[in-house]
Amino acid sequence: DTEVTQTPKHLVMGMTNKKSLKCEQHMGHRAMYWYKQKAKKPPELMFVYSYEKLSINESVPSRFSPECPNSSLLNLHLHALQPEDSALYLCASSQVAGQAGYGYTFGSGTRLTVV
Amino acid sequence: GQNIDQPTEMTATEGAIVQINCTYQTSGFNGLFWYQQHAGEAPTFLSYNVLDGLEEKGRFSSFLSRSKGYSYLLLKELQMKDSASYLCAVTGGSYIPTFGRGTSLIVHP
Repeated sequence: DTEVTQTPKHLVMGMTNKKSLKCEQHMGHRAMYWYKQKAKKPPELMFVYSYEKLSINESVPSRFSPECPNSSLLNLHLHALQPEDSALYLCASSQVAGQAGYGYTFGSGTRLTVV
Repeated sequence: GQNIDQPTEMTATEGAIVQINCTYQTSGFNGLFWYQQHAGEAPTFLSYNVLDGLEEKGRFSSFLSRSKGYSYLLLKELQMKDSASYLCAVTGGSYIPTFGRGTSLIVHP
């Protein structure tokens, strides 16, 4: 298995809703990442988990709450989002964080729309 | 921090060769990646350079000059399906890649 699977592929939520994005990989990668990408912009790093521990939080608002229940799963819990949070949310994994290598494997993303 | 610059848009003809340039400034350098991203899809890994020189992979090649802070992605025998955004990403001291804005390549018949 050489894939990163993200669910759902599309999500529409209201500003008072609570929802979660899920990411799963079975490649034995020990680093997992959340990126946010707006249209025609590069992916922006949000969080890095290394060995199931949060190692980087790029000053992301608390309405985004990551969780890494085990080495294969990464969640992003969403609460009280704003319309400007609408974007493509990408999950990625790599063998380890803090070690240069042959790139990330990205999931196909969740297209989030906040109404 | 890191500063990455690449052209916003390029156009080319099917069957031709195109070179997409990327210049960067970074404190510490631990590799440069190129990714391809079709609209609405995830980026897919194309190449990784950490030493100076040319890396060739089929129709795609990537070049790096660390002293000049410069890389390019060369696409040969262009196909319509190569129309996509090409992202240059640089890893510095943290080993976490920072992405450039991407170059939108349009291939026309």
